[in-house]
Amino acid sequence: NAGVTQTPKFQVLKTGQSMTLQCAQDMNHNSMYWYRQDPGMGLRLIYYSASEGTTDKGEVPNGYNVSRLNKREFSLRLESAAPSQTSVYFCASTQAAGLQETQYFGPGTRLLVL
Amino acid sequence: AQTVTQSQPEMSVQEAETVTLSCTYDTSESNYYLFWYKQPPSRQMILVIRQEAYKQQNATENRFSVNFQKAAKSFSLKISDSQLGDTAMYFCAFMKPSGQNFVFGPGTRLSVLP
Repeated sequence: NAGVTQTPKFQVLKTGQSMTLQCAQDMNHNSMYWYRQDPGMGLRLIYYSASEGTTDKGEVPNGYNVSRLNKREFSLRLESAAPSQTSVYFCASTQAAGLQETQYFGPGTRLLVL
Repeated sequence: AQTVTQSQPEMSVQEAETVTLSCTYDTSESNYYLFWYKQPPSRQMILVIRQEAYKQQNATENRFSVNFQKAAKSFSLKISDSQLGDTAMYFCAFMKPSGQNFVFGPGTRLSVLP
């Protein structure tokens, strides 16, 4: 049982390049989340998926798109990366949104945009 | 909108001593959930403890306990018998009943000194 996994662990992009961050969970959770963490700040929600087939914007969605490919996988795409998107990205999952279940986090992806 | 404040950016404690990390929050909700997460240098987010606002009894988890003061909107974390492995960033987080995500505080960096 690996929990929540994220790939890649580290990525360097040039401004304007695109990339997709992958996230998968094997806990049969319904809800999945993408957060970003900037220095000196807590995590901020980018997008979430309450259940398979649904996605919604969080606090800081601009510049990102998401896809809930199936129940296990939730990807985050940067279409045209900007230096302001340099951050650490965390994926999380929980059994069901709104039930205040504990969220389980992946190990994070460190992204550097030059 | 909910906000979470952690007024201590950095703290240190001697090994085997006790330390208390502060957290205050602002909400108009009567029922909600509060969490403490630990983020060691590996950057993994690890749940430390969780508290339901409708429960008057303070949550405890081994060496970790909270002092939940609902009227004061305060949720402090006490770590007893501090260990070197407790060195990490600690984030306080809030979730409302209908909410989909956490609101995180900015974090407190705790160093346990030998």
